[in-house]
Amino acid sequence: EPEVTQTPSHQVTQMGQEVILRCVPISNHLYFYWYRQILGQKVEFLVSFYNNEISEKSEIFDDQFSVERPDGSNFTLKIRSTKLEDSAMYFCASSDTSSNQPQHFGDGTRLSIL
Amino acid sequence: DQQVKQNSPSLSVQEGRISILNCDYTNSMFDYFLWYKKYPAEGPTFLISISSIKDKNEDGRFTVFLNKSAKHLSLHIVPSQPGDSAVYFCAAKDPYSGGGADGLTFGKGTHLIIQP
Repeated sequence: EPEVTQTPSHQVTQMGQEVILRCVPISNHLYFYWYRQILGQKVEFLVSFYNNEISEKSEIFDDQFSVERPDGSNFTLKIRSTKLEDSAMYFCASSDTSSNQPQHFGDGTRLSIL
Repeated sequence: DQQVKQNSPSLSVQEGRISILNCDYTNSMFDYFLWYKKYPAEGPTFLISISSIKDKNEDGRFTVFLNKSAKHLSLHIVPSQPGDSAVYFCAAKDPYSGGGADGLTFGKGTHLIIQP
């Protein structure tokens, strides 16, 4: 069964450094998403992406965040200058349409900011 | 701002019995609801969903019920099996929240423990 894959599974970064989290969505999907889950809290929506542009973003997704689809298969989340509070699990998801179809999630990247 | 609430952090059920997980929501614009299951160190796995035009959807051992007037949905698992032990998240989509690819709003999850 096709799945969303994320790399790396764990990323440790010094505060202030840039980090790029990578995702390969399911191949025929057109809609891509990033979520995060801070330890002990709920899964929170960050951003959605369709047709090479951001479709929707939450209040969390401020200027330090950016997303990109650099080629036909990868979808990346960049955090420009990491802060301690960016430590979380980051999940990528994809869906084949936006309306009433489930989003399928990867296993996440655990980001630890030191 | 808890638009999706799962008020039971945990639930313990005997193997073979019915598990009922509950979820309440406050945003009347939500039009699509999903249940996800999550094991430790894995991402959420889609289980079952329901559109707001329906009140019930069934898939094997899993049934989701939606009561729009009460803004309440529930997931029934019958019969419960040991492999069902996991955290279950309720999620909802507001079609008017953004530009088309709508983000999901999640509850905090309920940890279901199936006891032998």
